[in-house]
Amino acid sequence: KNEVEQSPQNLTAQEGEFITINCSYSVGISALHWLQQHPGGGIVSLFMLSSGKKKHGRLIATINIQEKHSSLHITASHPRDSAVYICAVSGGDKLIFGTGTRLQVFP
Amino acid sequence: DTGVSQNPRHKITKRGQNVTFRCDPISEHNRLYWYRQTLGQGPEFLTYFQNEAQLEKSRLLSDRFSAERPKGSFSTLEIQRTEQGDSAMYLCASSLGVRGLATDTQYFGPGTRLTVL
Repeated sequence: KNEVEQSPQNLTAQEGEFITINCSYSVGISALHWLQQHPGGGIVSLFMLSSGKKKHGRLIATINIQEKHSSLHITASHPRDSAVYICAVSGGDKLIFGTGTRLQVFP
Repeated sequence: DTGVSQNPRHKITKRGQNVTFRCDPISEHNRLYWYRQTLGQGPEFLTYFQNEAQLEKSRLLSDRFSAERPKGSFSTLEIQRTEQGDSAMYLCASSLGVRGLATDTQYFGPGTRLTVL
């Protein structure tokens, strides 16, 4: 069993839909990261959080430390949100990554 | 552009050849990380540096792999006697690495895609 599990693996949506991606982890962490990876490889950090909730534009990330679970929400999804979303945890200096959720948003 | 840069972006080589990749981090960043990502998987940690010191190496990093950061700025990752299983995207990331900070944001380069024929 992977230390970081994401669901779903693949997700398709119509433009405007509310999207939720889930992440569960089994190790002790100091922070959880949500990352976005576009075709071609570039990875961008979206959020780093250790408790509660963070919001940036249409993106919302929450974490429940007791349940070892985090969610990434996208409100009013848009085709430009199509990418792979990766959850990663840090318990020390390095990141442990999930396998990613591939999101496709159609017009 | 003051982000993390990696060169080359693509490398095709024959099995048994040696390859070297370069990563230039954001200039004020003390920490530099190397990750490997195969198709359909998330990145996997390989090694990281705090300034010029290599602090941790993954068990994934066999004896054929070596990484350096000689002056605490750019880093190189060399793979000797490449094998087809080495085909992957090799990602570099850097972070401020402030002493005493449990974790900080890592900024990723565009990656070097290696294909071993």
